[in-house]
Amino acid sequence: DIQMTQSPSAMSASVGDRVTITCRASQGISNYLAWFQQKPGKVPKRLIYASSSLQSGVPSRFSGSGSGTEFTLTISSLQPEDFATYYCLQHHSYPLTFGGGTRVEIK
Amino acid sequence: EVQLVQSGAEVKKPGESLKISCKGSGYSFTSYWIGWVRQMPGKGLEWMGIIYPGDSETRYSPSFQGQVTISADKSISTAYLQWSSLKASDTGMYYCARHYSSSSAPDPWGQGTLVTVSS
Repeated sequence: DIQMTQSPSAMSASVGDRVTITCRASQGISNYLAWFQQKPGKVPKRLIYASSSLQSGVPSRFSGSGSGTEFTLTISSLQPEDFATYYCLQHHSYPLTFGGGTRVEIK
Repeated sequence: EVQLVQSGAEVKKPGESLKISCKGSGYSFTSYWIGWVRQMPGKGLEWMGIIYPGDSETRYSPSFQGQVTISADKSISTAYLQWSSLKASDTGMYYCARHYSSSSAPDPWGQGTLVTVSS
């Protein structure tokens, strides 16, 4: 199985901060990487697919980059509604595997 | 509008069987894959497996192979996740989600089905 290591596992940030979350794959996955946002008690929502493609309707402050084994999700200016848990998912090989999640909390 | 609507919350005892459902609408059900994801209380997301309703081709994560059965009835645009003998450790939220292809990221997701297994 491909292991997905997300960092940090949790972070505190302020509104307006630039936030970067990293996901590292245990082997190369090309650009088969997606990012999801999950708020407490809610359904996960896809933000980014194919490493850097923004899902329709998602604000442009979210961006993704990377290829191979290193990927990042960047929020350019954190907004109050962005406090949530973020997960990466590799969909290059079976079984698909999620990262452990990054909880973004209010500082 | 593409929608996946899941069956309601379940409370079961250890050893009981269970089948939960996921009904697709707003698209050609037989042309997309349906995957299942588990989220145990307070924990992260775990991919369980996937089915292509067009021909019922199914793939499981090794972690869930033999523990659950994924199936689909294309005549009613519904996918299923089934247990033959539940354990307390099966307690969690289960989501279905549509995959454009067998190797695509899932979107959209169903609203989730909470399964509670307790004696």
